[in-house]
Amino acid sequence: EDKVVQSPLSLVVHEGDTVTLNCSYEVTNFRSLLWYKQEKKAPTFLFMLTSSGIEKKSGRLSSILDKKELFSILNITATQTGDSAVYLCASTPGAGSYQLTFGKGTKLSVIP
Amino acid sequence: EAGVTQSPTHLIKTRGQQVTLRCSPISGHTSVYWYQQALGLGLQFLLWYDEGEERNRGNFPPRFSGRQFPNYSSELNVNALELEDSALYLCASSLLGGAGTEAFFGQGTRLTVV
Repeated sequence: EDKVVQSPLSLVVHEGDTVTLNCSYEVTNFRSLLWYKQEKKAPTFLFMLTSSGIEKKSGRLSSILDKKELFSILNITATQTGDSAVYLCASTPGAGSYQLTFGKGTKLSVIP
Repeated sequence: EAGVTQSPTHLIKTRGQQVTLRCSPISGHTSVYWYQQALGLGLQFLLWYDEGEERNRGNFPPRFSGRQFPNYSSELNVNALELEDSALYLCASSLLGGAGTEAFFGQGTRLTVV
């Protein structure tokens, strides 16, 4: 059975801190790993990682995938209160669909 | 461009009743996925429809079913509701086979079973 595990489950930081969120996976027919941000209801897409060792960046957020060690990290630098959300990691199978296997998420709270 | 739309946004049902949730994908997307997000369990894959056919289903009982219409919109039906069916039901859409792009999620339907 495919499994995605995120850590920590929750995290409280102060504005300006840098955080690292972890995601490990055990997935057959792995194709890619996705990160989503869920603030209220709809998860919003952050990154898709397919190749190992290549960092994806978007502003203060960045992510990297290690296909040998089967994990990914999401970094957020200079955190802001607007970064408070649940961050979800998910894997996609090699079958060419978005039948995603999600981790339980990391709840990030950024306090002023 | 309109995103994935779901209806209704909230509903309350009684145990044993039946419910139908609806999802309209982004224009041009042919694949629709349904997920259940119950408290403490994270998002779990329910069903995948593509080109009108059920392509795969997750580890849920047969009382969870659905269909996809020729315009690619989709319905999720849940029969004989149980208390543990209370959850946020999210629909996502993608291009055929998920080629080259991510799946986009709707705002979800919050179902409460009492």
